[in-house]
Parts: sequence; structure tokens; C-alpha cells
Amino acid sequence: GQQVMQIPQYQHVQEGEDFTTYCNSSTTLSNIQWYKQRPGGHPVFLIQLVKSGEVKKQKRLTFQFGEAKKNSSLHITATQTTDVGTYFCAGPNTGNQFYFGTGTSLTVIP
Amino acid sequence: NAGVMQNPRHLVRRRGQEARLRCSPMKGHSHVYWYRQLPEEGLKFMVYLQKENIIDESGMPKERFSAEFPKEGPSILRIQQVVRGDSAAYFCASSPPGSNQPQHFGDGTRLSIL
Repeated sequence: GQQVMQIPQYQHVQEGEDFTTYCNSSTTLSNIQWYKQRPGGHPVFLIQLVKSGEVKKQKRLTFQFGEAKKNSSLHITATQTTDVGTYFCAGPNTGNQFYFGTGTSLTVIP
Repeated sequence: NAGVMQNPRHLVRRRGQEARLRCSPMKGHSHVYWYRQLPEEGLKFMVYLQKENIIDESGMPKERFSAEFPKEGPSILRIQQVVRGDSAAYFCASSPPGSNQPQHFGDGTRLSIL
């Protein structure tokens, strides 16, 4: 069955350092979505990537979709304490439901 | 526009009791999804419903678990004869009609089994 894996599972960074999480799918994806979940909170939609090789930016966050549409990355420049949380990627299956990745938990040390 | 509403926020049940979790999707959203999350783990898909129809329940255990999304009223996730292993956060998400729409999540129900 389809699997969406993320690495790393955990990441601790000093405030101001950069952070990257990688998402890999066992199958080609029509699109990929990214979500952020703060500790004790619920997942919040961040962005959707559709095109091969697509790059989108939201302030300090840069999202990429691989050329083969089987992987994606989220890069945060100069992390802040407000970036703390777990970042999930999600890819659709043929049944219109999304498989969520295993998530990367980000801790930012002030 | 109110977001996805889940209740209760916290639910405590004893082993063998029934748990009913409710989810009202955002206005205009016809797709509802239920997910289960254990502490420090990812979101595990359980079931995807549209009004009066279960579209995909491949992630839901065959026994004790059921879900519905009636024509009127909220979606219900029902767990019968709960066991300790059912303790988790259960999130509901909704999305508008159409494929590959972003999902909007509720605050979740934290279920604890004594």
C-alpha cells in the first residue's frame, strides 16, 4: 500500500538555525499538502503543491515538490520559537483521502 | 464562518462502555474524515464519509468501531466496548466538494479509558 515517510522524526535546533524536513512517497503523487500541528493543538493546513518541481514560499518557509512527484521538502530559514510543532506532509490516494506522513517534530531552543 | 466543531473535547470512559464522538464540519463542507493520533505519533486515517455515505473505511477496525454522517446533524464516530488501547486523540477534518481539497481540522476529542 501507499506509504509516506518523513525524516527526520525529531529535530532540535537553536533559534536562528535553519531546519529542513523531507517527505518521501512510495508512489507518484498528484499533489502534496503540508500541515503544522502545535503541541496540544490540531493540524493546520499550510500549503499544497501540484506541479512537478514546484517551489512555493511563505515568509521564512520554502516548500518544494520533486521532479518525479514522489518527494517533497519543507525548509525553514532562521527558525523562531513560534515554529515549534510537528510538520506533516500528506499525499492523496486514488480514493480522495490523504495519507499523512509520520511527521517531523521540531524543537527550537531559545 | 465557524470552523470544524468537535465535542466533547475530553471524554473519559471505563472499559466496556461506549464512546460517541461528534463532529460538525465547516459550513459548505460535504466531506468528513476521522483520524486517530497516539501521543507523539502521526495521524492514522480511519474513515472518510460524505453525507449518508461511507466512502472509505479501510483504516477503521472491523469490530467495535463505526461511523456515520447523516443527512442532518453531525458526523458520529462510535466506539463500542472500549478498551485501554482506544485511548487516543481523535481528530475530525472536513473539506469542500472536489478532489484534493485542503482539510480543516477540529480541536479533537481526547479519549481516556480507565
